[in-house]
Amino acid sequence: DTAVSQTPKYLVTQMGNDKSIKCEQNLGHDTMYWYKQDSKKFLKIMFSYNNKELIINETVPNRFSPKSPDKAHLNLHINSLELGDSAVYFCASSLAEGAAEAFFGQGTRLTVV
Amino acid sequence: GNSVTQMEGPVTLSEEAFLTINCTYTATGYPSLFWYVQYPGEGLQLLLKATKADDKGSNKGFEATYRKETTSFHLEKGSVQVSDSAVYFCALTTYSSASKIIFGSGTRLSIRP
Repeated sequence: DTAVSQTPKYLVTQMGNDKSIKCEQNLGHDTMYWYKQDSKKFLKIMFSYNNKELIINETVPNRFSPKSPDKAHLNLHINSLELGDSAVYFCASSLAEGAAEAFFGQGTRLTVV
Repeated sequence: GNSVTQMEGPVTLSEEAFLTINCTYTATGYPSLFWYVQYPGEGLQLLLKATKADDKGSNKGFEATYRKETTSFHLEKGSVQVSDSAVYFCALTTYSSASKIIFGSGTRLSIRP
C-alpha cells in the first residue's frame, strides 16, 4: 500500500564503490524527483523526470545517473562514491509538473566510509 | 530567482503553547505555497497548502494564510502537542519553476511535556 517506496532504507559503503537506490510509486503520477537532504536537513533537488523524460538536472556531478525505465520507477545510480555523498536521499512523485503536492518516500540514508 | 526563507530553529516550546514559524518567499509569477512536515526517521508529508492570495490552508490544527502583500506564509497553531515535534518546511512551486519544488531550510520544533 506504500505510495512511494524506496530501497534500501540504509546503505553503508566504502569510498569508490558504485551503488544504486531504487524508487517506485503506485500513485499513477507522471513526475518523479530525487532530493538530497544534508545533515542540517537542507533539501536540494537533484533530478526531476516527467513521463520518463529528464526535466531537471540541478548541477549534480555526473557520477549520479538517474534511470527511469517507466513512469512508475526512478532509480538513482551513483558511481565512485565519495565521503561528501553521505546524506539522506528522498524520492518523491507528483501528479503533474510543479504545481501539485509531492509524495515522498521514507528516504535512504547513505553513509560513505 | 525563486526562494523561500524561514525562521531558523530549533524552536522549543511547552505543550499547549502558541506556535508561529515564519516563512517569506520570493517568486516570479503567482506561486503555490506549502508547508511540509518531517517526523523523525520519515519522509516529508504535506501539512497544508494555499494556491492563491488570501487563501488559508489548514490541517491538524495548523493554519497558514497566503499573504501576497507581505510575501509571507507563516505557520501557526494555537496549542501545540508533544506529537507535533518534527521539522517543518515551507515550500513553493511556480509555473516558471515547473517540476521543481523549492524548499526553505526547515525549522526543527521540539515540544516539552
